[in-house]
Amino acid sequence: DAKTTQPNSMESNEEEPVHLPCNHSTISGTDYIHWYRQLPSQGPEYVIHGLTSNVNNRMASLAIAEDRKSSTLILHRATLRDAAVYYCFLLSGGYNKLIFGAGTRLAVHP
Amino acid sequence: GAVVSQHPSRVICKSGTSVKIECRSLDFQATTMFWYRQFPKQSLMLMATSNEGSKATYEQGVEKDKFLINHASLTLSTLTVTSAHPEDSSFYICSANGDYSEAFFGQGTRLTVV
Repeated sequence: DAKTTQPNSMESNEEEPVHLPCNHSTISGTDYIHWYRQLPSQGPEYVIHGLTSNVNNRMASLAIAEDRKSSTLILHRATLRDAAVYYCFLLSGGYNKLIFGAGTRLAVHP
Repeated sequence: GAVVSQHPSRVICKSGTSVKIECRSLDFQATTMFWYRQFPKQSLMLMATSNEGSKATYEQGVEKDKFLINHASLTLSTLTVTSAHPEDSSFYICSANGDYSEAFFGQGTRLTVV
Protein backbone atom coordinates (compact mmCIF):
# COMPACT_ATOMS: atom_id res chain seq x y z
CA ASP A 1 0.00 0.00 0.00
CA ALA A 2 1.22 3.48 -0.83
CA LYS A 3 1.97 5.35 2.38
CA THR A 4 0.70 8.70 3.58
CA THR A 5 1.95 10.85 6.43
CA GLN A 6 -0.09 13.37 8.37
CA PRO A 7 0.52 15.47 11.46
CA ASN A 8 -0.85 13.87 14.61
CA SER A 9 -2.89 16.87 15.66
CA MET A 10 -3.95 20.37 14.68
CA GLU A 11 -5.99 23.08 16.29
CA SER A 12 -8.26 25.74 14.90
CA ASN A 13 -10.70 28.36 16.07
CA GLU A 14 -14.31 28.29 15.06
CA GLU A 15 -15.15 30.13 11.83
CA GLU A 16 -11.50 30.09 10.69
CA PRO A 17 -10.13 28.12 7.73
CA VAL A 18 -8.22 24.92 8.40
CA HIS A 19 -5.60 23.39 6.14
CA LEU A 20 -4.89 19.73 6.84
CA PRO A 21 -1.79 18.44 5.03
CA CYS A 22 -1.00 14.97 3.76
CA ASN A 23 2.24 13.79 2.21
CA HIS A 24 2.23 10.90 -0.22
CA SER A 25 5.56 10.96 -2.02
CA THR A 26 5.22 7.40 -3.36
CA ILE A 27 1.90 8.01 -5.08
CA SER A 28 1.43 6.22 -8.39
CA GLY A 29 -0.32 7.51 -11.46
CA THR A 30 -3.49 5.56 -10.83
CA ASP A 31 -3.85 6.44 -7.13
CA TYR A 32 -6.73 8.64 -6.09
CA ILE A 33 -6.32 10.78 -2.98
CA HIS A 34 -9.17 10.18 -0.55
CA TRP A 35 -10.03 11.91 2.70
CA TYR A 36 -12.25 10.57 5.43
CA ARG A 37 -13.02 11.75 8.92
CA GLN A 38 -14.26 10.14 12.07
CA LEU A 39 -16.38 12.11 14.48
CA PRO A 40 -16.40 10.93 18.10
CA SER A 41 -18.22 7.64 18.64
CA GLN A 42 -19.18 7.31 14.98
CA GLY A 43 -17.99 5.36 11.98
CA PRO A 44 -15.74 7.24 9.55
CA GLU A 45 -17.36 9.26 6.80
CA TYR A 46 -16.19 10.10 3.31
CA VAL A 47 -15.13 13.73 2.85
CA ILE A 48 -13.65 14.18 -0.62
CA HIS A 49 -11.38 12.62 -3.20
CA GLY A 50 -9.43 13.68 -6.26
CA LEU A 51 -6.88 12.55 -8.81
CA THR A 52 -5.00 15.54 -10.20
CA SER A 53 -7.18 18.63 -10.19
CA ASN A 54 -8.38 20.49 -7.13
CA VAL A 55 -11.85 19.45 -6.00
CA ASN A 56 -14.63 21.19 -4.14
CA ASN A 57 -17.74 19.82 -2.52
CA ARG A 58 -20.15 20.98 0.15
CA MET A 59 -17.94 19.67 2.93
CA ALA A 60 -14.47 20.75 1.92
CA SER A 61 -11.94 21.49 -0.80
CA LEU A 62 -9.00 19.34 -1.81
CA ALA A 63 -5.88 21.00 -3.12
CA ILE A 64 -3.47 18.64 -4.86
CA ALA A 65 0.15 19.58 -5.50
CA GLU A 66 1.27 19.69 -9.10
CA ASP A 67 3.60 16.72 -8.56
CA ARG A 68 0.81 14.95 -6.59
CA LYS A 69 3.21 14.13 -3.78
CA SER A 70 1.15 16.06 -1.29
CA SER A 71 -2.37 17.33 -0.82
CA THR A 72 -4.26 19.60 1.54
CA LEU A 73 -7.79 19.24 2.81
CA ILE A 74 -9.30 22.67 3.31
CA LEU A 75 -12.20 23.37 5.63
CA HIS A 76 -13.16 26.92 4.73
CA ARG A 77 -14.87 27.81 8.01
CA ALA A 78 -14.33 25.35 10.81
CA THR A 79 -17.25 24.58 13.07
CA LEU A 80 -17.30 22.71 16.35
CA ARG A 81 -18.82 19.80 14.48
CA ASP A 82 -15.65 19.53 12.38
CA ALA A 83 -13.67 18.34 15.41
CA ALA A 84 -12.70 14.85 14.32
CA VAL A 85 -9.82 12.65 13.23
CA TYR A 86 -9.05 13.17 9.55
CA TYR A 87 -7.51 10.41 7.46
CA CYS A 88 -5.81 10.66 4.09
CA PHE A 89 -5.58 7.58 1.85
CA LEU A 90 -4.30 6.63 -1.58
CA LEU A 91 -6.74 4.32 -3.34
CA SER A 92 -6.66 2.78 -6.79
CA GLY A 93 -9.82 1.84 -8.64
CA GLY A 94 -12.10 -1.02 -7.67
CA TYR A 95 -11.42 -3.16 -4.64
CA ASN A 96 -9.93 -1.17 -1.81
CA LYS A 97 -9.31 -1.96 1.80
CA LEU A 98 -8.45 1.00 3.95
CA ILE A 99 -5.56 0.57 6.36
CA PHE A 100 -5.93 3.33 8.91
CA GLY A 101 -2.96 5.20 10.32
CA ALA A 102 -3.23 7.64 13.19
CA GLY A 103 -4.68 10.45 11.08
CA THR A 104 -4.81 14.08 12.21
CA ARG A 105 -6.89 14.88 15.25
CA LEU A 106 -8.44 18.31 14.69
CA ALA A 107 -9.54 20.31 17.70
CA VAL A 108 -11.82 23.30 17.06
CA HIS A 109 -12.04 25.95 19.74
CA PRO A 110 -15.07 28.20 20.21
CA GLY B 1 -25.34 8.97 -1.25
CA ALA B 2 -24.81 5.32 -0.48
CA VAL B 3 -25.66 4.21 3.02
CA VAL B 4 -24.32 1.39 5.12
CA SER B 5 -26.41 0.49 8.13
CA GLN B 6 -25.03 -1.38 11.09
CA HIS B 7 -27.07 -3.03 13.84
CA PRO B 8 -27.12 -2.97 16.79
CA SER B 9 -25.44 0.31 17.69
CA ARG B 10 -24.78 -0.87 21.24
CA VAL B 11 -24.83 -4.28 22.86
CA ILE B 12 -23.95 -5.57 26.29
CA CYS B 13 -23.48 -9.30 26.69
CA LYS B 14 -22.31 -11.71 29.33
CA SER B 15 -18.91 -13.31 29.12
CA GLY B 16 -19.07 -16.59 27.23
CA THR B 17 -22.02 -15.70 25.03
CA SER B 18 -22.00 -14.87 21.33
CA VAL B 19 -23.03 -11.63 19.69
CA LYS B 20 -24.02 -11.04 16.07
CA ILE B 21 -23.52 -7.69 14.36
CA GLU B 22 -25.21 -6.95 11.04
CA CYS B 23 -23.93 -4.70 8.27
CA ARG B 24 -26.27 -3.83 5.40
CA SER B 25 -25.74 -1.81 2.25
CA LEU B 26 -29.08 -0.06 1.88
CA ASP B 27 -29.09 1.24 -1.67
CA PHE B 28 -26.30 -0.57 -3.43
CA GLN B 29 -24.86 -4.03 -3.76
CA ALA B 30 -21.61 -4.80 -2.03
CA THR B 31 -19.72 -7.91 -3.07
CA THR B 32 -17.01 -6.95 -0.61
CA MET B 33 -17.36 -5.54 2.88
CA PHE B 34 -14.76 -4.88 5.52
CA TRP B 35 -14.84 -5.28 9.28
CA TYR B 36 -12.80 -3.11 11.64
CA ARG B 37 -12.28 -2.96 15.36
CA GLN B 38 -11.36 0.16 17.30
CA PHE B 39 -10.18 0.37 20.88
CA PRO B 40 -10.43 3.65 22.84
CA LYS B 41 -8.01 6.35 21.73
CA GLN B 42 -6.75 4.14 18.90
CA SER B 43 -7.26 4.05 15.16
CA LEU B 44 -9.37 1.51 13.30
CA MET B 45 -7.80 -1.88 12.81
CA LEU B 46 -8.86 -3.97 9.85
CA MET B 47 -10.02 -7.40 10.98
CA ALA B 48 -11.22 -9.08 7.83
CA THR B 49 -12.54 -8.75 4.32
CA SER B 50 -15.99 -10.22 3.80
CA ASN B 51 -16.67 -11.64 0.33
CA GLU B 52 -20.17 -12.43 -0.87
CA GLY B 53 -20.59 -16.13 -1.45
CA SER B 54 -17.14 -17.13 -0.26
CA LYS B 55 -15.00 -17.30 2.84
CA ALA B 56 -13.80 -14.18 4.52
CA THR B 57 -10.15 -13.19 4.43
CA TYR B 58 -8.78 -12.45 7.88
CA GLU B 59 -5.90 -10.14 8.72
CA GLN B 60 -2.91 -11.55 10.53
CA GLY B 61 -3.55 -12.13 14.19
CA VAL B 62 -7.36 -12.18 13.93
CA GLU B 63 -8.88 -15.49 15.00
CA LYS B 64 -11.29 -16.67 12.34
CA ASP B 65 -13.01 -19.12 14.70
CA LYS B 66 -13.70 -16.38 17.18
CA PHE B 67 -14.88 -13.74 14.72
CA LEU B 68 -17.21 -15.54 12.33
CA ILE B 69 -18.09 -13.63 9.20
CA ASN B 70 -20.95 -14.51 6.87
CA HIS B 71 -21.70 -12.63 3.66
CA ALA B 72 -24.70 -14.51 2.33
CA SER B 73 -26.15 -11.80 0.11
CA LEU B 74 -25.01 -8.74 -1.82
CA THR B 75 -26.41 -6.44 0.84
CA LEU B 76 -25.68 -8.17 4.13
CA SER B 77 -22.58 -9.21 6.01
CA THR B 78 -22.60 -10.39 9.61
CA LEU B 79 -19.86 -10.58 12.21
CA THR B 80 -20.40 -12.96 15.12
CA VAL B 81 -18.17 -12.62 18.14
CA THR B 82 -18.21 -16.09 19.65
CA SER B 83 -17.63 -16.86 23.30
CA ALA B 84 -17.08 -13.19 24.00
CA HIS B 85 -14.78 -12.09 26.80
CA PRO B 86 -14.20 -8.66 28.33
CA GLU B 87 -11.12 -8.12 26.15
CA ASP B 88 -13.41 -8.31 23.09
CA SER B 89 -15.17 -5.17 24.26
CA SER B 90 -14.57 -2.68 21.48
CA PHE B 91 -16.14 -0.54 18.77
CA TYR B 92 -16.79 -2.66 15.67
CA ILE B 93 -17.27 -0.94 12.32
CA CYS B 94 -18.09 -2.25 8.86
CA SER B 95 -17.62 -0.65 5.47
CA ALA B 96 -18.41 -1.24 1.82
CA ASN B 97 -17.10 0.36 -1.36
CA GLY B 98 -19.24 2.46 -3.64
CA ASP B 99 -19.12 2.70 -7.41
CA TYR B 100 -16.22 5.17 -7.42
CA SER B 101 -14.05 3.38 -4.86
CA GLU B 102 -15.13 5.58 -1.98
CA ALA B 103 -15.82 3.67 1.21
CA PHE B 104 -19.06 3.95 3.15
CA PHE B 105 -18.99 3.06 6.80
CA GLY B 106 -21.60 1.85 9.20
CA GLN B 107 -22.39 3.77 12.37
CA GLY B 108 -20.43 1.29 14.43
CA THR B 109 -21.40 -1.15 17.18
CA ARG B 110 -20.14 -0.66 20.70
CA LEU B 111 -19.78 -4.07 22.30
CA THR B 112 -19.38 -4.37 26.04
CA VAL B 113 -18.75 -7.80 27.51
CA VAL B 114 -19.41 -8.08 31.23
